[in-house]
This record gives sequence, structure tokens and C-alpha cells, in this order.
Amino acid sequence: AQSVTQPDIHITVSEGASLELRCNYSYGATPYLFWYVQSPGQGLQLLLKYFSGDTLVQGIKGFEAEFKRSQSSFNLRKPSVHWSDAAEYFCAVPGKKSSGDKLTFGTGTRLAVRP
Amino acid sequence: EAGVAQSPRYKIIEKRQSVAFWCNPISGHATLYWYQQILGQGPKLLIQFQNNGVVDDSQLPKDRFSAERLKGVDSTLKIQPAKLEDSAVYLCASSGQGVADTQYFGPGTRLTVL
Repeated sequence: AQSVTQPDIHITVSEGASLELRCNYSYGATPYLFWYVQSPGQGLQLLLKYFSGDTLVQGIKGFEAEFKRSQSSFNLRKPSVHWSDAAEYFCAVPGKKSSGDKLTFGTGTRLAVRP
Repeated sequence: EAGVAQSPRYKIIEKRQSVAFWCNPISGHATLYWYQQILGQGPKLLIQFQNNGVVDDSQLPKDRFSAERLKGVDSTLKIQPAKLEDSAVYLCASSGQGVADTQYFGPGTRLTVL
């Protein structure tokens, strides 16, 4: 079955520092991959998605992610973190190669930002 | 464009009581999902509707959970009777049917079972 693993449960970075959140996937073919963010008391908001083509994907709020087939990874990055980025981040993969299908989520990485 | 609406936002009940959650998806979205998010975990799909038909309910505890989507628009998720382990956030999401369509999530309902 398709799955994603987020190895880091909790990460703390200083405001202005760079950020990389890890996501590894298990999928039979080239996957569709998503990153969502969940702020406290909020639903999930899509940051970016990868379907095909360019392996470096730009998203909202200054985030980007790079698809690396050789490493089965889709890590999320941001060059300079803002205090408002403190939230929980989820990597996800659909059950079949369609975005119109159920998502399987990782366990999430909670980001804390030091002032 | 209005987002996915859910109500109530918070609910506290005692075990063995019943509870219902309501979801209004984005207008025109054919697919509707209910996810359960237990504290410290990622969301897990409970049930998926395509219009008013069930596509996937393999993870729904059918002895106590039920869901319906009348007329292919609004949906209701019910738990009867509730157990302590049902304490979670219940998220509703909707999407279109195209390959490029993304799931949009509502704010969720936080359920506490005492």
C-alpha cells in the first residue's frame, strides 16, 4: 500500500533560519505527492503538490519541495522561516494516481519557531 | 469562493451518547471525504463519497459510525454510541473529479468523549 513517512516528529528552528522537513514515500509508480499545513485549531491547507514534470515545486508562503526518485523523498524547504510558520506539517500521497482519491498522511512534523 | 463548512466546531459528550457532525462542501465538488484525526497523528480516511454514492468506507467502524450524503451535497457523520477512543478531530474535505483537483479541508469538529 502507498504510504509516507515523516521521520521528524518535532523540529525547532530560529526565526530567519532555513528549514527542511523530510518526507519519504512508498509507492509503486511515480507518485502524486502533497504537503499540507495545519495551524492550531485549523483545518489543513495545501502548501504544494507534485504531479509530474519539474521536480522542484513552488508553493504558497515561500515554501518549495523537491521530488527525488532515487531517494524516494519529497522534502519541504523554506529559506527563511517566519514566526507564523509554526504549525504542523503533513506529507500525503493518494491511494491511486489521482488527486481525487483518499489521501494517506504521514504522522506529521510539528514546527516550533524561536524568536 | 466559500470553503468547506463544518459544524459544530467543538462537541463534548459522555461515552455511550450519540453525536452528529455536519459538512457542506465547496459548491460543485463531487467528492466528499470524512477523516478522523487523533491527537498526534495524521488524518485517517473514514469514508469517501462520489456524489451521493459511497466509494470507500473500509475504515469506517460500521457498528457505531454512519454517514450519509443526501442529494450529493451536504453530508452528516454520526457516532452512536460513542466510545472514549472516538475523541478526535473530524475533518471534512471535498474535491472535484479531475486529475488535477485537490482536496480542500474544513476547519474540523473537535470531539471529546468523557
